[in-house]
Amino acid sequence: GNSVTQMEGPVTLSEEAFLTINCTYTATGYPSLFWYVQYPGEGLQLLLKATKADDKGSNKGFEATYRKETTSFHLEKGSVQVSDSAVYFCARHLDRGSTLGRLYFGRGTQLTVWP
Amino acid sequence: DTGVSQDPRHKITKRGQNVTFRCDPISEHNRLYWYRQTLGQGPEFLTYFQNEAQLEKSRLLSDRFSAERPKGSFSTLEIQRTEQGDSAMYLCASSSTPDTQYFGPGTRLTVL
Repeated sequence: GNSVTQMEGPVTLSEEAFLTINCTYTATGYPSLFWYVQYPGEGLQLLLKATKADDKGSNKGFEATYRKETTSFHLEKGSVQVSDSAVYFCARHLDRGSTLGRLYFGRGTQLTVWP
Repeated sequence: DTGVSQDPRHKITKRGQNVTFRCDPISEHNRLYWYRQTLGQGPEFLTYFQNEAQLEKSRLLSDRFSAERPKGSFSTLEIQRTEQGDSAMYLCASSSTPDTQYFGPGTRLTVL
């Protein structure tokens, strides 16, 4: 099938702690992979993406590496801030090169960072 | 602001009523998508337009749901005879490439 599995939350960390949110996917091909973030009361914002194996997406101190051998795209940040508190969604496109539209999302991981 | 906009942001309706939501995509984007998000879940794909053509529809889009994009710009999503199970956040996204999608703030629907 075509699915995305993320670690369940909530994740609670102290400021400046290291963050990892695990994400794995199933696919018949080599899809583009994404992390989106949703702040309270807002829509989804694209955080980072990677389009092929071994690509590393990065933005705002967050990183994720496309691992084809483990079908994973784990999100990491070395030092979280209170302002990073949000829900994080891992997503995949149907297949790289597909002209169809849909994204498949994980269930989301709630992150709360305490000062 | 040149992002995706949606109207209304919130809608409360009684069961059995019809509702219509509007989405205005980023102006140069020819692709437009609708998703539905229920509490504690990730967004689920509903439908996809390229210009004015509706190219993909999910099984979630029952015959009570209809979406249009008449001039290839804004889009509307109508739900007829609403049911309590339709209560959700309805998200619109747009893009100029097949994969990277930019989302609007969503319309939260509550069916009483």
